Amino acid sequence: DTAVSQTPKYLVTQMGNDKSIKCEQNLGHDTMYWYKQDSKKFLKIMFSYNNKELIINETVPNRFSPKSPDKAHLNLHINSLELGDSAVYFCASSQTGGRKKLFFGSGTQLSVL
Amino acid sequence: AQSVTQPDIHITVSEGASLELRCNYSYGATPYLFWYVQSPGQGLQLLLKYFSGDTLVQGIKGFEAEFKRSQSSFNLRKPSVHWSDAAEYFCAVATNFGNEKLTFGTGTRLTIIP
Repeated sequence: DTAVSQTPKYLVTQMGNDKSIKCEQNLGHDTMYWYKQDSKKFLKIMFSYNNKELIINETVPNRFSPKSPDKAHLNLHINSLELGDSAVYFCASSQTGGRKKLFFGSGTQLSVL
Repeated sequence: AQSVTQPDIHITVSEGASLELRCNYSYGATPYLFWYVQSPGQGLQLLLKYFSGDTLVQGIKGFEAEFKRSQSSFNLRKPSVHWSDAAEYFCAVATNFGNEKLTFGTGTRLTIIP
């Protein structure tokens, strides 16, 4: 079983559309994240949720809205997509306690045309 | 604010040769350091991490890294690379220990030639 799974793997859409990326983890972790990797491979955290509560919210346009229905899921909804949103989005999870590693999903390649 | 620098964007080594990937960090307190590997089309996988204690840490797949506080470095090494090691390697630092927030370097792409 995949530990952290994201869907879809690829997402191609037009500017102005609204889209969602789903993430689920079956590791029993209580913290989940969204990271964005740009075309230069730079990885930057966007959001982090702990037990369904938002704990990290980096400087991200409010067109991006994470939703955590339970601690095993953290979905990312993006409104009014722009060309600059094209990137690979990674979901990750970890167990709170500090000395734990992050488990990453395999990424969602978003292309905005 | 913390930052991580990986000065080598791309490194090419021959299969069987030794490898060293450089990582320098900037952070005022004791850092918590990580190396992750990303294979093409895949997510990131943790190779190893340093929190405290022995400054030479061993990881998976035969990798090791050495923390040198005086040089603010955490270089990744492997004595003999395999073709399957071709990937993107990311160094990262954690500063807010409670919520696992990682700041990543820009990555080093490793190419292996026969």
